[in-house]
Amino acid sequence: QSALTQPASVSGSPGQSITISCTGTSSDVGSYNLVSWYQQHPGKAPKLMIYEGSKRPSGVSNRFSGSKSGNTASLTVSGLQAEDEADYYCCSYAGSSTSVVFGGGTKLTVL
Amino acid sequence: QVTLRESGPALVKPTQTLTLTCTFSGFSLSTSSMCVSWIRQPPGKALEWLARIDWDDDKYYSTSLKTRLTISKDTSKNQVVLTMTNMDPVDTATYYCARIPDGSRWYFDYWGQGTLVTVSS
Repeated sequence: QSALTQPASVSGSPGQSITISCTGTSSDVGSYNLVSWYQQHPGKAPKLMIYEGSKRPSGVSNRFSGSKSGNTASLTVSGLQAEDEADYYCCSYAGSSTSVVFGGGTKLTVL
Repeated sequence: QVTLRESGPALVKPTQTLTLTCTFSGFSLSTSSMCVSWIRQPPGKALEWLARIDWDDDKYYSTSLKTRLTISKDTSKNQVVLTMTNMDPVDTATYYCARIPDGSRWYFDYWGQGTLVTVSS
């Protein structure tokens, strides 16, 4: 069982927006602004999409945005495109003894 | 540009020790704040963080696996090595190395393509 809880799957139609939640605790997500999100297409390595909760690396579409409220972080994908269909993982710093924890992953399906 | 590549055996037997090498380019592990981590992913399952080594040789390990893991670096060769002892079939996974550009911020900005390790007799 993963330390961070994500929905197993979400779906949306092209052009729509979806949000993936990532629920942790006051020891990880709630205590640090160090949540990152990764996109993984089948058979490929993960790709950084969001870091420090809401920052986008250079080259990542501004259709991807991140936020946090309490112990829950969220990734929103707006203007869904077929290429967004992938697995998404959240990750959070969890203090010096645990370091980092990942979520269980969410499969995004573009209908 | 930044690249990382994992190498090591594709098949190991139970109880054996696994040694994986991450060879990277485009950055130096002697640069202040730079770090490299190992992360694994069993088939069809989630990512799991394993270990990290920093530019100043500080090391961090997964709490659940720390007794089995050792991470080291050879700065002159641009390599990071991970050893995992007492391998078990549940350790079958794709093993990735990834860069952390700033150790205080704990995110992985570049990843290798991964190497699949199967544990079986």
